[in-house]
Amino acid sequence: QVQLVQSGAEVKKPGSSVKVSCKASGGTFSSYAISWVRQAPGQGLEWMGRIIPILGIANYAQKFQGRVTITADKSTSTAYMELSSLRSEDTAVYYCARDGSPYSSSSIVPAQGYYYMDVWGKGTTVTVSS
Amino acid sequence: SYELTQPPSVSVSPGQTARITCSGDALPKQYAYWYQQKPGQAPVLVIYKDSERPSGIPERFSGSSSGTTVTLTISGVQAEDEADYYCQSADSSGTYRDVVFGGGTKLTVL
Repeated sequence: QVQLVQSGAEVKKPGSSVKVSCKASGGTFSSYAISWVRQAPGQGLEWMGRIIPILGIANYAQKFQGRVTITADKSTSTAYMELSSLRSEDTAVYYCARDGSPYSSSSIVPAQGYYYMDVWGKGTTVTVSS
Repeated sequence: SYELTQPPSVSVSPGQTARITCSGDALPKQYAYWYQQKPGQAPVLVIYKDSERPSGIPERFSGSSSGTTVTLTISGVQAEDEADYYCQSADSSGTYRDVVFGGGTKLTVL
């Protein structure tokens, strides 16, 4: 059974950066994309982007372009999300989640063409405060 | 950018049927998915591909689709079903399909 274990809570100053990790266990890491989703206090879910480890490709929601970097280390089955130029509005719980449809090494479209998340980490609280 | 629209809240009494809708122009072209989120917990997938139910999800949860609207139906609502529910789909434009969430619906069991 696939599990995603995220790093611990962070407190950051405005203008700094944060890097959150997400270690997968119990499944085939490379074939499944890892998405990052955040949730500000009292707000809804917001997709930030994904990394496709088997392709080494990441794509980002337009809102976060230029400020977020998502990477993956296949040797440790760990994905990372780094958010820079932090501001108070970035205070949120950040979730990693495994995409439910696998990828092959020859296509940027998941094999079954479905885009959803079937396994979620417990979340990492990031607080941005001076 | 692509948007999914949900009602902010739905209230039902125990044992009744709750219906939560989600509207979006691209829903005829992309499947919808539903997540349940209880306070302080991560979301849980309850419906995928419009109407499929993952293993372990009670049969009282079902999904349907009609045109630009998808619906999550919870039959015989129980107190434990009180939660926030989010629909999700994919933006059908662009090289990569960005994930899009609805704003969420708070289900209150009276």
